[in-house]
Amino acid sequence: GQNIDQPTEMTATEGAIVQINCTYQTSGFNGLFWYQQHAGEAPTFLSYNVLDGLEEKGRFSSFLSRSKGYSYLLLKELQMKDSASYLCAVRDLSDSWGKLQFGAGTQVVVTP
Amino acid sequence: DGGITQSPKYLFRKEGQNVTLSCEQNLNHDAMYWYRQDPGQGLRLIYYSQIVNDFQKGDIAEGYSVSREKKESFPLTVTSAQKNPTAFYLCASSIDSSSGLADEQFFGPGTRLTVL
Repeated sequence: GQNIDQPTEMTATEGAIVQINCTYQTSGFNGLFWYQQHAGEAPTFLSYNVLDGLEEKGRFSSFLSRSKGYSYLLLKELQMKDSASYLCAVRDLSDSWGKLQFGAGTQVVVTP
Repeated sequence: DGGITQSPKYLFRKEGQNVTLSCEQNLNHDAMYWYRQDPGQGLRLIYYSQIVNDFQKGDIAEGYSVSREKKESFPLTVTSAQKNPTAFYLCASSIDSSSGLADEQFFGPGTRLTVL
């Protein structure tokens, strides 16, 4: 099994930067995903990391350190529409299938 | 447009009744999944299917059943044996999970089930 930990909630103001950390423990790591989920809606894919380093996609960036079991999602130039839950998910191949294990999500609240 | 549809969006059920949640995808994906989401918890895997006519139990399969008779469809039945069925249910699909590649999953809009 594996544990995935991320903060429950973070608050930031419009235009600011927020960093959401995710730590995990797994024996067969094969990639980490970040999803965004607005209340009552489906999660939507944001980013994927399988090698160490930073992946940048516009205002969103995601970082991975496999040796530390650590990732973060960086949201820059925050907008009100970024208020949502952000889910960290890890794929583990130790069970031979490679299902995704999700964290509980981090609720980001953007204030004016 | 390609995507995943779930119906209904809201569903109410009396205790002791079975209910079936629909999930359809036209993305030509081989793999499909059912998750349950409860407040303050991550998505938990109920069942998954890597190919037509085959499916496997996830982490919380008790009280649920599925079928995969067509590639496009993966309905979930919540039976009366499920003790706490009130939750948000999400269906997802991906190209192919068996290769071990970290392919992303695409999610449907979800069904909120409430047991009265």
